[in-house]
Amino acid sequence: DQQVKQNSPSLSVQEGRISILNCDYTNSMFDYFLWYKKYPAEGPTFLISISSIKDKNEDGRFTVFLNKSAKHLSLHIVPSQPGDSAVYFCAASAISGSARQLTFGSGTQLTVLP
Amino acid sequence: NAGVTQTPKFQVLKTGQSMTLQCAQDMNHNSMYWYRQDPGMGLRLIYYSASEGTTDKGEVPNGYNVSRLNKREFSLRLESAAPSQTSVYFCASSGGRGDPQHFGDGTRLSIL
Repeated sequence: DQQVKQNSPSLSVQEGRISILNCDYTNSMFDYFLWYKKYPAEGPTFLISISSIKDKNEDGRFTVFLNKSAKHLSLHIVPSQPGDSAVYFCAASAISGSARQLTFGSGTQLTVLP
Repeated sequence: NAGVTQTPKFQVLKTGQSMTLQCAQDMNHNSMYWYRQDPGMGLRLIYYSASEGTTDKGEVPNGYNVSRLNKREFSLRLESAAPSQTSVYFCASSGGRGDPQHFGDGTRLSIL
């Protein structure tokens, strides 16, 4: 059973508009959430994170929102740029011993159209 | 500014052959991880090492072994490769509980 789900495999938006990527999780033990961005033939790159004690975290054009009661988080990109076109992975984390294990969603391919 | 380096980048094996994937990080991180990514799926954790001298199983450890050679290096070994292990393998490292994981560029492994 997938503990982290990204139900939209793909999303297309116009340059300059807002991109909203969604993610749902089922495990209440997750206390830290991250978004990664991945270009073809490269490894995932960390984008932004949020702790479960917060409901919003902002970094430039990127904002992550967390709704714990709904077990839902979203990534907003404003304004979207063609260089944002990539696969975006949502990941959730719980402490296991002295290391954090990440559970990833299946990813959303974002295409920003010029 | 290397970060996490994985070798090789590509490899083709025959069923039953063995292979070791190498990973090294230069960020003085304590924790290191091995993931596999299959089409249409997210990354799944194979093994991790919270600190030098320790290793633990992740979600999909069967068919793999790991060695944390020192603080910098964490290798993944396939003793007898199977077609189901065809995948892209990513290594990652992290400095601690609040530090995000940093990934290498992956090893693309095909098993015929």
